[in-house]
Amino acid sequence: QSVLTQPPSVSAAPGQKVTISCSGSSSNIGNNYVSWYQQLPQTAPKLLIYDNNKRPSGIPDRFSGSKSGTSATLGITGLQTGDEADYYCGTWDSSLSARVFGGGTKLTVL
Amino acid sequence: QEQLVESGGGVVQPGRSLRLSCAASGFTFSNHGMHWVRQSPGKGLEWVAVIWNDGSNKFYADSVKGRFAISRDNSEDMVYLQMNSLRGEDTAVYYCARDRDDACDIWGRGTMVTVSS
Repeated sequence: QSVLTQPPSVSAAPGQKVTISCSGSSSNIGNNYVSWYQQLPQTAPKLLIYDNNKRPSGIPDRFSGSKSGTSATLGITGLQTGDEADYYCGTWDSSLSARVFGGGTKLTVL
Repeated sequence: QEQLVESGGGVVQPGRSLRLSCAASGFTFSNHGMHWVRQSPGKGLEWVAVIWNDGSNKFYADSVKGRFAISRDNSEDMVYLQMNSLRGEDTAVYYCARDRDDACDIWGRGTMVTVSS
């Protein structure tokens, strides 16, 4: 059971938009920065979003992040088949003194 | 370029020990905290441990506390994970990752650890 809650799967058609939610509490998302990661099949995770809504260099602006209270959201527009992957949210949990990840969301581009 | 390369994985019997290594290159290693994150087959990411840039603080997941120890050598640009009293549930790909701006911004390719008799 993950500290951060994500939907197990989401799907959308190519060209469409999808959002992935990440729910936590005041000890983690509520008071710490959220990051998002993309893991393509058989590869290492890759940072997509940090500090709730910032993109590292090289990440297209089709990917966006937001945070409100104890929840965060990853948005992906202009979906491509190459976006099919597992997506994870992560943050620091001040009560646990530990980094925590969501359980992951599998994105299917139909 | 900025890179992390893990090594030291393999097959080990339950109760035995293993030490993983992670070699960093292409950036100022001593400026960054370093994490170990693992992923069991078919499962999600599980954070394992973090060590601050100067080694002054270390934190562990409850699942490994008392059995695993993270350390680093800033003169060699290396981070280590000493794993003792290994269990079947420790079977996973182990990734090292760089900490920057409260995120894991660079990841290695991982090293597989299999705990089995």
